[in-house]
Amino acid sequence: AQSVTQLGSHVSVSEGALVLLRCNYSSSVPPYLFWYVQYPNQGLQLLLKYTTGATLVKGINGFEAEFKKSETSFHLTKPSAHMSDAAEYFCAVSDKRAGTALIFGKGTTLSVSS
Amino acid sequence: DGGITQSPKYLFRKEGQNVTLSCEQNLNHDAMYWYRQDPGQGLRLIYYSQIVNDFQKGDIAEGYSVSREKKESFPLTVTSAQKNPTAFYLCASSSMGPPYEQYFGPGTRLTVT
Repeated sequence: AQSVTQLGSHVSVSEGALVLLRCNYSSSVPPYLFWYVQYPNQGLQLLLKYTTGATLVKGINGFEAEFKKSETSFHLTKPSAHMSDAAEYFCAVSDKRAGTALIFGKGTTLSVSS
Repeated sequence: DGGITQSPKYLFRKEGQNVTLSCEQNLNHDAMYWYRQDPGQGLRLIYYSQIVNDFQKGDIAEGYSVSREKKESFPLTVTSAQKNPTAFYLCASSSMGPPYEQYFGPGTRLTVT
C-alpha cells in the first residue's frame, strides 16, 4: 500500500534561514505529489504539486519542491524563512491506480524564531 | 468565489447526542471527502463519495455516517457510537480527473463533553 513519511514532526529555524521539510513516499509507480500548508484552526491550502514534467516545482509563498524518483522523495524548501511561514505542512501522494484518494503524511510543524 | 464551506466553525455537544456537520462546495467537483484531524496524527479519512448517492468507508468510519443526496453537499453525522468524537473535522473535494488535488474547507472543531 502507498505510504508517505515526513521526517521530523517539528522543525525549528531562524528567520532568514533555509527551510527544508522532508517527504518520502513508497510507490513503484511515480505518483502525483502535493504539499499543503495549514495555519492554526484553518483548513489545508495547496502549496504546490508535481504531476509530470519538470521535477523542480515552484509554489506559492516562495516554496519549491523537487521530485527525485531515484530517492522516492519530494522535499519542500524555501531559501529564507519568514515568521509568517510558521504552520503545519503536509505532504500527500495520489496513487494513480487508486483513483482520487490522497494519502497524507502525519505533518511537520514549522516554527520560525526571530 | 468558488470554494468549500463548513458550518459551524465550532460545535459543542453533550455525550450521547448525534451531531451533523455541514459541507457544501460550489466547485462542481464530483468527489468529496471527510477527514478527522487529531494532534500528531495527521489527517485520517472517514468517508468519501465519488458520485451522488454513493459513498465508501475510509480508514476510520466506525461511529460516523454520511449521505450524498446532492452533488454539492456531503454532510457528516457523528453518532453517539463514536467513542472519541472531540476533534477537528475537515471536508474536501476534488475532480475525478488526475492529479486529484483536493480543496479543503475551513474545518469544524467539535467538542463533546
